[in-house]
Amino acid sequence: QQQVKQSPQSLIVQKGGISIINCAYENTAFDYFPWYQQFPGKGPALLIAIRPDVSEKKEGRFTISFNKSAKQFSLHIMDSQPGDSATYFCAASSILTGGGNKLTFGTGTQLKVEL
Amino acid sequence: EPEVTQTPSHQVTQMGQEVILRCVPISNHLYFYWYRQILGQKVEFLVSFYNNEISEKSEIFDDQFSVERPDGSNFTLKIRSTKLEDSAMYFCASSSYTGTNSPLHFGNGTRLTVT
Repeated sequence: QQQVKQSPQSLIVQKGGISIINCAYENTAFDYFPWYQQFPGKGPALLIAIRPDVSEKKEGRFTISFNKSAKQFSLHIMDSQPGDSATYFCAASSILTGGGNKLTFGTGTQLKVEL
Repeated sequence: EPEVTQTPSHQVTQMGQEVILRCVPISNHLYFYWYRQILGQKVEFLVSFYNNEISEKSEIFDDQFSVERPDGSNFTLKIRSTKLEDSAMYFCASSSYTGTNSPLHFGNGTRLTVT
């Protein structure tokens, strides 16, 4: 019940295209859903996050779509650029455990944006 | 921008040996965490620490693991008797306060190799 399932495992997108990564969860106590970006040799860095009281959040080229009834959320990267090539992790947490910073991560998606 | 610093970047040790992984969290942060990432797998929560006490720990964080804040700046993870399966990337993280309005800042990790 604590798992967060992420797909696809890897993704190749042409420059300028839309990258879409999907995640699903089971634990209805989760109330915070961040996405992290990780470059080789670096730690995960927070990209964007959403709470379940909204269905969409947009920051620049990055958008999270959230479907509470389906227990799914997704990351959309518009106008994908080669510099976006990285591993993306979805995550979830609950304020009830670890104060909201005990993150349960998805398995990661390796995104490659080709010229 | 302030960052979380981890040393060493790579540690090789023999099975059964003790290792100490070191972290310097962001200076005004009060909450500290260790996560690990086995090669090619997801990032997993190990432990959270606040006010010189463990506030939460995962099933992975057994008696072989301990954490300490020996002074005002360092935060350490000790593995008493390393096993082959402890080989992973260990990430330290910190946040200024608990709750999801204070995102985690991760260090670049220490790659631990147990031979």
